[in-house]
Amino acid sequence: TQLLEQSPQFLSIQEGENLTVYCNSSSVFSSLQWYRQEPGEGPVLLVTVVTGGEVKKLKRLTFQFGDARKDSSLHITAAQTGDTGLYLCAGRSNTNAGKSTFGDGTTLTVKP
Amino acid sequence: NAGVTQTPKFQVLKTGQSMTLQCAQDMNHEYMSWYRQDPGMGLRLIHYSVGAGITDQGEVPNGYNVSRSTTEDFPLRLLSAAPSQTSVYFCASMMTGDHEQYFGPGTRLTVT
Repeated sequence: TQLLEQSPQFLSIQEGENLTVYCNSSSVFSSLQWYRQEPGEGPVLLVTVVTGGEVKKLKRLTFQFGDARKDSSLHITAAQTGDTGLYLCAGRSNTNAGKSTFGDGTTLTVKP
Repeated sequence: NAGVTQTPKFQVLKTGQSMTLQCAQDMNHEYMSWYRQDPGMGLRLIHYSVGAGITDQGEVPNGYNVSRSTTEDFPLRLLSAAPSQTSVYFCASMMTGDHEQYFGPGTRLTVT
């Protein structure tokens, strides 16, 4: 079983601060996705990273895939209250494209 | 284009009852999956399908059955509900060769 460990589990910061969320595994993934989930809704994709060492930017969010494709990070610059939510990373199996493994998520609260 | 739809949105069952959670997608996606999400945790894969007539087990398949007779529908059956199956259930679909999963709005199930 492939496992993904996310840290921290909870994060509470003031608006304007920066933060980083980590997603680590001992397994290699063919790709890794970051999702954001609002209460009462399903997760919505933010980004997919595929190539080892890849960096993608989405406005104030920067995503990085580790060189060995085992870990990833999400960095938010100048957080806003609208960034509040549950952030989930998910790794797609290297051997079975139909299977994804999710981390336990990071609950982010951005206070005004 | 409705995306991924799930019914019912809420359900309360007594221990030992059976029921079927419905999932449908209108995007002609080959891959479909069922996840459960418990408080403070990410999504755990129950069963998945890579196409009509093909299903396979995920991380936590015990107590659940699935079938995939059409591309559009992927129902999840609880054979004999147990309190441990109290959770929020999400269905997702994905196009072959893609990385993004599209999630339904979820079914909140309580087993008493």
